[in-house]
Amino acid sequence: NAGVTQTPKFQVLKTGQSMTLQCAQDMNHEYMSWYRQDPGMGLRLIHYSVGAGITDQGEVPNGYNVSRSTTEDFPLRLLSAAPSQTSVYFCASGPLSLGNTIYFGEGSWLTVV
Amino acid sequence: AQRVTQPEKLLSVFKGAPVELKCNYSYSGSPELFWYVQYSRQRLQLLLRHISRESIKGFTADLNKGETSFHLKKPFAQEEDSAMYYCALSFSSNTGKLIFGQGTTLQVKP
Repeated sequence: NAGVTQTPKFQVLKTGQSMTLQCAQDMNHEYMSWYRQDPGMGLRLIHYSVGAGITDQGEVPNGYNVSRSTTEDFPLRLLSAAPSQTSVYFCASGPLSLGNTIYFGEGSWLTVV
Repeated sequence: AQRVTQPEKLLSVFKGAPVELKCNYSYSGSPELFWYVQYSRQRLQLLLRHISRESIKGFTADLNKGETSFHLKKPFAQEEDSAMYYCALSFSSNTGKLIFGQGTTLQVKP
């Protein structure tokens, strides 16, 4: 049971480049989400999904796209990277129920130069 | 809008001293509250949640609806408690969405 797996772990991008952060979970969780972690800002929700084919915006969605074609996968796309997107990105998943635990990936460190 | 506030960025205590990490939330309904912890070079993990009313690693947290607070407490800090602590709020069973505070770094000195 791998839990939540994120790739890549580290990435350096040039401004304007595009890339996709991959997230996969093997726990059959309905809920999946992406957060970014910045010093002094805590964890901020970018996008989330409550099932295949359903996505919604979080607190800081601008500059990011997501899709959920399967229950297992929830990729995060940066279409045109900006230095302000330099951050640590966390994918998380959990059962769709109030009060249930969500499980995090190990994080992806992204630097945009 | 729903919000979680952790007023302290850094809390530094000596080993054996009591610890209280503050968390306040804004939400008019009945929230579910959590504390997550991130130890050095490890992924974020659940420490405890209000709904379970449990004590984990000596930590407890009580929901005070009047003060809209969910402070995390431990009577005697240990060096291995040094970590980043996040308070989080879940307010909708339909979405499972979790909102986090800014985080507090706990540093326990020997």
